[in-house]
This record gives sequence, C-alpha cells and structure tokens, in this order.
Amino acid sequence: GENVEQHPSTLSVQEGDSAVIKCTYSDSASNYFPWYKQELGKRPQLIIDIRSNVGEKKDQRIAVTLNKTAKHFSLHITETQPEDSAVYFCAASKSTGGFKTIFGAGTRLFVKA
Amino acid sequence: DARVTQTPRHKVTEMGQEVTMRCQPILGHNTVFWYRQTMMQGLELLAYFRNRAPLDDSGMPKDRFSAEMPDATLATLKIQPSEPRDSAVYFCASALGGGTGELFFGEGSRLTVL
Repeated sequence: GENVEQHPSTLSVQEGDSAVIKCTYSDSASNYFPWYKQELGKRPQLIIDIRSNVGEKKDQRIAVTLNKTAKHFSLHITETQPEDSAVYFCAASKSTGGFKTIFGAGTRLFVKA
Repeated sequence: DARVTQTPRHKVTEMGQEVTMRCQPILGHNTVFWYRQTMMQGLELLAYFRNRAPLDDSGMPKDRFSAEMPDATLATLKIQPSEPRDSAVYFCASALGGGTGELFFGEGSRLTVL
C-alpha cells in the first residue's frame, strides 16, 4: 500500500544553522509532494510543494529536492530562526484519484536561539 | 478569508458514547479529507470524498467509524461506540478538485474519551 517514511523524527539545530528533513515514498504513481508546517496547537499549513516534473524548487530560505528514481524527496531550511520551530510533515499525493494525500510521521524541529 | 470550519473544537465524552464531528469545507472545494492525529501516528488518513462520494475509507475502523457528506457544505465523522483509544485530534481538510493539490485544514476537533 501507499506509505511515506520521514526522518528524523526530532531535529534540534542552533539558530542560523541549516536543517534537512528526508522522506521516501512507495507509490511510484505519486506526482505531487507537499510539505506542511504545523505550529503547536495549530492546523497544518502548506509551506512549499514540488511536482514530479521538477527536481528542485526554492522559496527564500526553504528548498525542496526530488529524486523520482529513488522515490526520495527532502526539505532544506537555511539560516534557521526560532520561529521555524514546529512539526514538519512531508506528503505524497497523485492527481489521479482526487489528490489522495499520505503524510509522513512528522519531524519536530527545535531551533535554539 | 475562506476557511474550513470544524465543530466541536473540543469534546470530552465517556467510553461507549456516540461522537459526531462536523466539517464545513471551503465553498467550491469538492474534495474533503478526514485525518486523525496522535502523537505516535502523525496524520493518519481515515477517509476522503470527492463530489460527496467516498473514494477511500480504508483507513477507518469500519465497525465503529462512519463518514458521510449529506451535502456539499457538510461532512460528518461519527464514532459509535467511542473508546479511549479514539482520543486524538481529528482534522478535516478540503481541496479544489483539479486544482493544485493543496489541502486546507480546519482547526481540528480534539476528542478525549474517558
């Protein structure tokens, strides 16, 4: 069945350092890979996404990379700030079948000031 | 500012009671998802609908859970009878079919079963 693995489960970095979160997916038909940020007590919100026809996408301090052959994608946050502290979820989805979205287990990121 | 609305925000109930959670998707969104969030399981997909028809409810325990969309503006998730292991935050999300694939989440319903 469909599965998304996410690592690490917890990540602690010093302010200003980079953070990297990695995910793998099982369904080769997946073609849309969003990342959601969930602050404490809040709802998940999309921060960046990438489609299967693109290998890399960047938006200011965050970037995502996708390796379709390896079924692997990653989130990179540079120059981390305390407000980046949150839980980050990767997900895999496919446009056929109504964008059924399967999430990874989440990474709790702590940015120490 | 269009948002997904969920009720109740918090619910405390006793084991064996029926629980109904409601979701109003963003107007015009035709795809609705129900997720359960626990500390251990992340965001677990329970069921999802497109144009009010269930597409997949394989993640839902069928013996006690049921999900429906009586109309395009209301989705419901019902648990009967509830058990302590059902304690979690239940999120509803909606998306525009044929759109980008972005899910818009409600604030969640926090359920505690004693």
